[in-house]
Amino acid sequence: GQQLNQSPQSMFIQEGEDVSMNCTSSSIFNTWLWYKQDPGEGPVLLIALYKAGELTSNGRLTAQFGITRKDSFLNISASIPSDVGIYFCAGQQNEKLTFGTGTRLTIIP
Amino acid sequence: AAGVIQSPRHLIKEKRETATLKCYPIPRHDTVYWYQQGPGQDPQFLISFYEKMQSDKGSIPDRFSAQQFSDYHSELNMSSLELGDSALYFCASSLGTGIYEQYFGPGTRLTVT
Repeated sequence: GQQLNQSPQSMFIQEGEDVSMNCTSSSIFNTWLWYKQDPGEGPVLLIALYKAGELTSNGRLTAQFGITRKDSFLNISASIPSDVGIYFCAGQQNEKLTFGTGTRLTIIP
Repeated sequence: AAGVIQSPRHLIKEKRETATLKCYPIPRHDTVYWYQQGPGQDPQFLISFYEKMQSDKGSIPDRFSAQQFSDYHSELNMSSLELGDSALYFCASSLGTGIYEQYFGPGTRLTVT
């Protein structure tokens, strides 16, 4: 099936640092979404992108829908302790979401 | 704001037993989706319903079935459970079908022993 390659797999940063992660696919998607998941909880929607080239911000989060519709990135500025978790990109075609492999963000005290 | 409700939150079953998971979408949302997430894995799409009709299907085993009811809640029925069915099962809902944001519930953790 389709695979979304998400990188990096994990990040260890200090509080206040900026974070960048991205997703690439061999397939075109109509919509890109970014979710954050805490252990044992459901994914929480952070940002949704609908148009190629679109750049969208939500507070300290900024995401872009790649021009080719095969990639997306997410930036988090000035990280804080509650940013810890696993971030998933997801591409949407028809009804279903195809998720990336996830980026685990850890903040070092 | 009201979110997606799933019940039960935890379920323990033995091999070959059956299980039923329930999902109550966000009010006014008419589309529900089911996903399975194994340990350390990303969520995998199982099936979706729009206006009580199946709208898309993913890698759902034949032992599983689902339906959406007139009040838009959905149930995932799992029979002949196997150890490999142990996972988190998420329901998501959206207002409309196609390019619409999916909001996830807290999940049901199914453990098969």
